Amino acid sequence: QQQVKQSPQSLIVQKGGIPIINCAYENTAFDYFPWYQQFPGKGPALLIAIRPDVSEKKEGRFTISFNKSAKQFSLHIMDSQPGDSATYFCAARGGNTPLVFGKGTRLSVIA
Amino acid sequence: DAGVIQSPRHEVTEMGQEVTLRCKPISGHDYLFWYRQTMMRGLELLIYFNNNVPIDDSGMPEDRFSAKMPNASFSTLKIQPSEPRDSAVYFCASSLGLGGYTFGSGTRLTVV
Repeated sequence: QQQVKQSPQSLIVQKGGIPIINCAYENTAFDYFPWYQQFPGKGPALLIAIRPDVSEKKEGRFTISFNKSAKQFSLHIMDSQPGDSATYFCAARGGNTPLVFGKGTRLSVIA
Repeated sequence: DAGVIQSPRHEVTEMGQEVTLRCKPISGHDYLFWYRQTMMRGLELLIYFNNNVPIDDSGMPEDRFSAKMPNASFSTLKIQPSEPRDSAVYFCASSLGLGGYTFGSGTRLTVV
């Protein structure tokens, strides 16, 4: 059973565009929603995270939007750059449980 | 801090051989996780430890897989005997509490 469903699997955008990656969850006990960024040959690295008491969080060009009623959250990358090309994973957890990850989105930003 | 250190970075072994993957977590972190990454299944949690004690190993696919954490600075994941379907990238991660994880660079395992 996939606890966090992520889409799309892959995404190609032009430099300067705004890629959006979406995730949906079912478990209402989830209370922590991070996004991880993974470059080839490296492990995933924490990018940004949100808790359900806010609807949006920004860190630089990266924004998480959170919709508690719909049980969905998304990652937006403003003014995307070729250096943002990577695989992005959403994740979630609740209480004392470990993170469960989405299957990842491979983003390519072309110049 | 050098981060989470995994070794080896690459491992090629023949089917039936024993494989041991190693991990050194970040000093002071009390949680350690072993994940397996494949194209088909994404990141799968295999097992995790809290203060060196295994908490949940329900993700370990078969009895061929075992993991130990003899002390706070070292953990191993062993596969015996290995099979071609075990080919994947294996990640170790550590965290202080269950907040943000720090992943190692992974071990790419190929079983031929």
